[in-house]
Amino acid sequence: DAGVIQSPRHEVTEMGQEVTLRCKPISGHNSLFWYRQTMMRGLELLIYFNNNVPIDDSGMPEDRFSAKMPNASFSTLKIQPSEPRDSAVYFCASSPLPGPQHFGDGTRLSIL
Amino acid sequence: DQQVKQNSPSLSVQEGRISILNCDYTNSMFDYFLWYKKYPAEGPTFLISISSIKDKNEDGRFTVFLNKSAKHLSLHIVPSQPGDSAVYFCAATPTGNQFYFGTGTSLTVIP
Repeated sequence: DAGVIQSPRHEVTEMGQEVTLRCKPISGHNSLFWYRQTMMRGLELLIYFNNNVPIDDSGMPEDRFSAKMPNASFSTLKIQPSEPRDSAVYFCASSPLPGPQHFGDGTRLSIL
Repeated sequence: DQQVKQNSPSLSVQEGRISILNCDYTNSMFDYFLWYKKYPAEGPTFLISISSIKDKNEDGRFTVFLNKSAKHLSLHIVPSQPGDSAVYFCAATPTGNQFYFGTGTSLTVIP
């Protein structure tokens, strides 16, 4: 089992640029989650999908953030335009329902 | 507003002693609780969980205690080992879908 795979591991870009984070969940898991980790708020849920359908995106900070899951094996989180305050570690996780979540190793995003 | 709180950002313990990590929650609808462990540059990994119908769950050196009336959760590690040094997150869910995480406690086990 390869686990949840996220890419890139690190991303450094300038303010205003579009950023796309990618996630491949564990095969057979029917739920996928995007989190953002900051020192102040810990792990914040941004959005989650069940069977490729977005269920709750109330954690998405603003319209600059969007997420898609075109199929069961791939999801993207896009920020456009990016801002310095978006700098954080972004985690993707997947789970069977019910069950604990399995996390990827994260993408460390730095917006200059 | 944080529904799951870990008020101690860090904890240091001597090897062989007990580590106690604490977590408080505000939502009485939470019925499933988990602890995750996170090493630097890695994602959190699931450690142990407890359902609200229980007040204790044990797995080897790790025991989770749940006090529903106090809305309090704790993780005990006995005996603590240097490899236990990591950030520990508690999480809670009312539905099994949406999980709410605390801000984490960094545990250092001193050899």
